[in-house]
Amino acid sequence: SAVISQKPSRDICQRGTSLTIQCQVDSQVTMMFWYRQQPGQSLTLIATANQGSEATYESGFVIDKFPISRPNLTFSTLTVSNMSPEDSSIYLCSVAGTVQRLDEQFFGPGTRLTVL
Amino acid sequence: SQQGEEDPQALSIQEGENATMNCSYKTSINNLQWYRQNSGRGLVHLILIRSNEREKHSGRLRVTLDTSKKSSSLLITASRAADTASYFCATDNALANSGGSNYKLTFGKGTLLTVNP
Repeated sequence: SAVISQKPSRDICQRGTSLTIQCQVDSQVTMMFWYRQQPGQSLTLIATANQGSEATYESGFVIDKFPISRPNLTFSTLTVSNMSPEDSSIYLCSVAGTVQRLDEQFFGPGTRLTVL
Repeated sequence: SQQGEEDPQALSIQEGENATMNCSYKTSINNLQWYRQNSGRGLVHLILIRSNEREKHSGRLRVTLDTSKKSSSLLITASRAADTASYFCATDNALANSGGSNYKLTFGKGTLLTVNP
């Protein structure tokens, strides 16, 4: 399976600021995704990160709030903009479409964000 | 709408017992995957079962899929305290050669499993 790292692993931020989360994979993958897990909840897909083009956002998520980049097949960033306490969540990137296991989706360790 | 629904929401058992968790979904799928999450950390991939498969094993894990009932179960045999975690099912309708957003997963609410030593 792919080895996925995320930076930072956690952060405490002030209201109104922005945080960029990085996701790095150790091999080229077809698909990269960003999910949010609010406290005590399940995971919700934010967007699909598309290489070299704009991300595809799910209903309820917009580019101005969650800009995403994916400059190549192994790296993506998610920015949480103009944060409020409601953005306090775990943010996870995931990948699918590895050479060895095409359909399986693997997750990074997550970034735990607390907004004060 | 919530695609997957696990039950029970919480399960507490003694070490050595078997744990069974169920997952139901609403729309047609191509794959169903089970994940484990320890205390708010990242998700660990456990097993993937395809829509044309009925049962799959991996070590102490056994997964079944009943597409007619739109349900799946995860059985953990001979449980250990280290199995204490939240377990999620997730579905997709990805086809191997379709690419695109069909790989995106829809998660259930999860089952919190506690294995008491």
